[in-house]
Amino acid sequence: NAGVTQTPKFQVLKTGQSMTLQCAQDMNHEYMSWYRQDPGMGLRLIHYSVGAGITDQGEVPNGYNVSRSTTEDFPLRLLSAAPSQTSVYFCASSSRRDSYYNEQFFGPGTRLTVL
Amino acid sequence: TQLLEQSPQFLSIQEGENLTVYCNSSSVFSSLQWYRQEPGEGPVLLVTVVTGGEVKKLKRLTFQFGDARKDSSLHITAAQPGDTGLYLCAGLTQGGSEKLVFGKGTKLTVNP
Repeated sequence: NAGVTQTPKFQVLKTGQSMTLQCAQDMNHEYMSWYRQDPGMGLRLIHYSVGAGITDQGEVPNGYNVSRSTTEDFPLRLLSAAPSQTSVYFCASSSRRDSYYNEQFFGPGTRLTVL
Repeated sequence: TQLLEQSPQFLSIQEGENLTVYCNSSSVFSSLQWYRQEPGEGPVLLVTVVTGGEVKKLKRLTFQFGDARKDSSLHITAAQPGDTGLYLCAGLTQGGSEKLVFGKGTKLTVNP
């Protein structure tokens, strides 16, 4: 049971390049989400999904796309990378979105630098 | 809009000291969680509090949810170097579109 896995661990992009951050979970969780973490800003929600085929925007969705074709996978796409997207990205999953005791399981993060 | 304010932002103490971290908001939350994050890793859940006034203990850590469910505190007794990390509070918002909102975190360093 690997939990939540993310690839790559580190990535450097040039402005304007596109890429996909991969996230997978093997806990059969319905709810998955993407956060970015910047110094002094805490964790900010980018996009989330309550199940396969269903996605919605979080607090900071601009410049990012997501899709959820399977329960296990929730990739995050950067369409045209900008220096403002330099950050550490975390994927998280949980079993039930509407439970008060809902525990979010986080992946190890992807550290992205956009030059 | 950041709904949760954590204080202090940074805290450096000596081993054996006690400390309290605060998480405050003007909004009411359905529940509030505390996570700890170590460098290079994702946050890990410590506790969830749901009822106003609720107190939970996890070894040397004591968590309290405010009576009005707008604030919470984390108290560590006799801190140890292993307690070093980033402590994040997260509130589950009320309403039709519940989301988990995170505070900015408190970076704790416990020196031996």
